[in-house]
Amino acid sequence: NAGVTQTPKFQVLKTGQSMTLQCAQDMNHNSMYWYRQDPGMGLRLIYYSASEGTTDKGEVPNGYNVSRLNKREFSLRLESAAPSQTSVYFCASSEVGDDPYNEQFFGPGTRLTVL
Amino acid sequence: ILNVEQSPQSLHVQEGDSTNFTCSFPSSNFYALHWYRWETAKSPEALFVMTLNGDEKKKGRISATLNTKEGYSYLYIKGSQPEDSATYLCACFSGGYNKLIFGAGTRLAVHP
Repeated sequence: NAGVTQTPKFQVLKTGQSMTLQCAQDMNHNSMYWYRQDPGMGLRLIYYSASEGTTDKGEVPNGYNVSRLNKREFSLRLESAAPSQTSVYFCASSEVGDDPYNEQFFGPGTRLTVL
Repeated sequence: ILNVEQSPQSLHVQEGDSTNFTCSFPSSNFYALHWYRWETAKSPEALFVMTLNGDEKKKGRISATLNTKEGYSYLYIKGSQPEDSATYLCACFSGGYNKLIFGAGTRLAVHP
């Protein structure tokens, strides 16, 4: 099992460019998440999908959109990148959403720089 | 969004030293406290999920305790090894917010 995979691993964008970060999990998990991690701060939730066909905003959704393509895949789109979106992005999954007892499984991260 | 505080931010110890660090979280409406270990260039991985006041969990040389009444958890590493070098993240499910709230982490460096 690959677990949670993310592509790309690194990306440099110019301000105003768009891109999609891809995430896939092979653990048959229902819930998937996108976080961003900035220096000195905890992982902050951007969007999550409790189950296939549903998505909801997290703590910092502005400037992002998501698509839960199927049970395996959850993508994050930046429509018009801004320097404030320079960050490391993590995708995660868990068996059941909104269940405090389920551990989350993380991908390797995408390091995004917006110039 | 409520705060989860971790201290210290970073820690340098010598191989063989025992060490511990703290996670403080909102004690109201508490459900669970997670500890994750995040090695550089790898994915964060779960160490423990703790739910009960007074709970103590152990995995090898790493253990954790939980006090839900006062809102803190300690992570202990006995006889630190260089391979323990990582960032240790805690996350809680409490305070009326039904998602995990992560702390900023404690970065541990173990020197040979």
